[in-house]
Amino acid sequence: GNSVTQMEGPVTLSEEAFLTINCTYTATGYPSLFWYVQYPGEGLQLLLKATKADDKGSNKGFEATYRKETTSFHLEKGSVQVSDSAVYFCALRGDGGTSYGKLTFGQGTILTVHP
Amino acid sequence: DTAVSQTPKYLVTQMGNDKSIKCEQNLGHDTMYWYKQDSKKFLKIMFSYNNKELIINETVPNRFSPKSPDKAHLNLHINSLELGDSAVYFCASSQDLTSQETQYFGPGTRLLVL
Repeated sequence: GNSVTQMEGPVTLSEEAFLTINCTYTATGYPSLFWYVQYPGEGLQLLLKATKADDKGSNKGFEATYRKETTSFHLEKGSVQVSDSAVYFCALRGDGGTSYGKLTFGQGTILTVHP
Repeated sequence: DTAVSQTPKYLVTQMGNDKSIKCEQNLGHDTMYWYKQDSKKFLKIMFSYNNKELIINETVPNRFSPKSPDKAHLNLHINSLELGDSAVYFCASSQDLTSQETQYFGPGTRLLVL
């Protein structure tokens, strides 16, 4: 079945530091890949997505590139802010078979940014 | 104007009780989902309905029974609550099961079983 593995947290950074959260996946076919963010006390929000190999998703200064050869979708941001403190989830959506339409999430990475 | 809404936001109850969580979406989506997030933030799908029809039913105890009276609503009823049911439950919706569009999540219902 499909699976997503994220780097373990928590991740603690100072403001303006560079952020990378690693994400690798296992899936058959051509899944779509997503990053979701969950701010404290809130539900998940879509941060960015990529639907095919070599696509780059970007939003709010965050970027991730769909790398089929390494089955990865690492999240990066050049300069984090305190307001980026949240839990980040990598996810994939299957393109067929029994996993069709189902989002599979990674375990989440807690990010804390200090002033 | 809330796209996906859930009630209640917080639910504290005793073991053995029966409770329901309601979810409504005003996006005109065909597909709705229930997820469970445990204390370690791990998120797992429980159910998915498409046009009121059950599509995905993960390994969930049969004490959990989803009900979809129409495609805008997907309620979750839980019988004989157990301590391990304590979690945050998220409802979500998407345009349909076949599109590549993303899922929109509700704010979550925080369930605490004492």
